[in-house]
Amino acid sequence: AQKITQTQPGMFVQEKEAVTLDCTYDTSDQSYGLFWYKQPSSGEMIFLIYQGSYDEQNATEGRYSLNFQKARKSANLVISASQLGDSAMYFCAMREAFGNEKLTFGTGTRLTIIP
Amino acid sequence: DVKVTQSSRYLVKRTGEKVFLECVQDMDHENMFWYRQDPGLGLRLIYFSYDVKMKEKGDIPEGYSVSREKKERFSLILESASTNQTSMYLCASSLRGGAPGEQFFGPGTRLTVL
Repeated sequence: AQKITQTQPGMFVQEKEAVTLDCTYDTSDQSYGLFWYKQPSSGEMIFLIYQGSYDEQNATEGRYSLNFQKARKSANLVISASQLGDSAMYFCAMREAFGNEKLTFGTGTRLTIIP
Repeated sequence: DVKVTQSSRYLVKRTGEKVFLECVQDMDHENMFWYRQDPGLGLRLIYFSYDVKMKEKGDIPEGYSVSREKKERFSLILESASTNQTSMYLCASSLRGGAPGEQFFGPGTRLTVL
């Protein structure tokens, strides 16, 4: 079974609108971390935001927020007031268990912002 | 500014050639990783290393080997390149026990095997 599922291969959003990128995960661990990365056309992966499984508050970083719903095993990325520069691939990733420092990535969502 | 560099952005090789992909990080990170990225498949872990001379297989190690002789350098080796190894290869590093443990990535090497 997929550990990280991103069901939206591509999305088109009007500039200045908010956008939600979906991510669901599967783990039996109690301690885990969830990450979102952005990959512009240049190819480099950029870390955006992190949510720990024990964090009670949803993580926020500027225009990025993570909508963490633990019972549903969901960790959606919300981008407010989208900009043309937000056009990129977005990957959700998970790190399981204490001391295990590998990341498992989803298949990604290609976001295109329309002017 | 933290940096992970990869030896080439684009590489074209012939089937059967031995290929070396080099990755260097200047952050004194213990952990280093090699991924390949293919459309529709996301990033898949090939090998990783927690320390010098130490390596562990990831999810798709077949056809690859690695070398880590120095802390800052992690090399991916394709012993005999095949066309199905045409892909984007990404190197990453992270601090052992760091919080939250994000990985820092290099710019990637797009390898084409003809």
